[in-house]
Amino acid sequence: ETGVTQTPRHLVMGMTNKKSLKCEQHLGHNAMYWYKQSAKKPLELMFVYSLEERVENNSVPSRFSPECPNSSHLFLHLHTLQPEDSALYLCASSQEHHGGGLSGELFFGEGSRLTVL
Amino acid sequence: GQNIDQPTEMTATEGAIVQINCTYQTSGFNGLFWYQQHAGEAPTFLSYNVLDGLEEKGRFSSFLSRSKGYSYLLLKELQMKDSASYLCAVVNQGGKLIFGQGTELSVKP
Repeated sequence: ETGVTQTPRHLVMGMTNKKSLKCEQHLGHNAMYWYKQSAKKPLELMFVYSLEERVENNSVPSRFSPECPNSSHLFLHLHTLQPEDSALYLCASSQEHHGGGLSGELFFGEGSRLTVL
Repeated sequence: GQNIDQPTEMTATEGAIVQINCTYQTSGFNGLFWYQQHAGEAPTFLSYNVLDGLEEKGRFSSFLSRSKGYSYLLLKELQMKDSASYLCAVVNQGGKLIFGQGTELSVKP
């Protein structure tokens, strides 16, 4: 138990579906992240929210849409995905300095395994 | 550009010592993390280095040389449960964590 909970753990969707991934952290952190993990590839940073503001968007296609309603919750809305988007999507949280930058390690959830048919 | 290199796979024997290397070229450097990830589970924190030298924590140690852009994770007295993926990650100038592809370690009896 890392203090970061992701749902659903597994999701299968067609290319025309709309679905959402949810992440919740119980650690009192002020930053949350979405990472994509594909086989044999590095974890790819997708989005960062610091103090509920999106501070980074790493050229992610618009078919991925993040939402951070408060410092404890993070969503990833999925729409019109492609088969190559099939991957493990990891949420993480951390405490950041007020001026930005990590002040400790990231805590990860167990991920949502997405399969796009 | 940003590049973090580590071997894709390693195999070692139970009870032995294994060293997993990581080299990096990043836009700035504000520390280096090692994470362990068992199949189907969340990555979990192992160690953090920001100054040159060796950090020891039980059976695991991590070394950093900033001038060489190099780190290693040393695992002693290997156990079967140490079979996992080991992720090297660097905090870049922007304060964000950039990961290598991970090293899949298999521990054999």
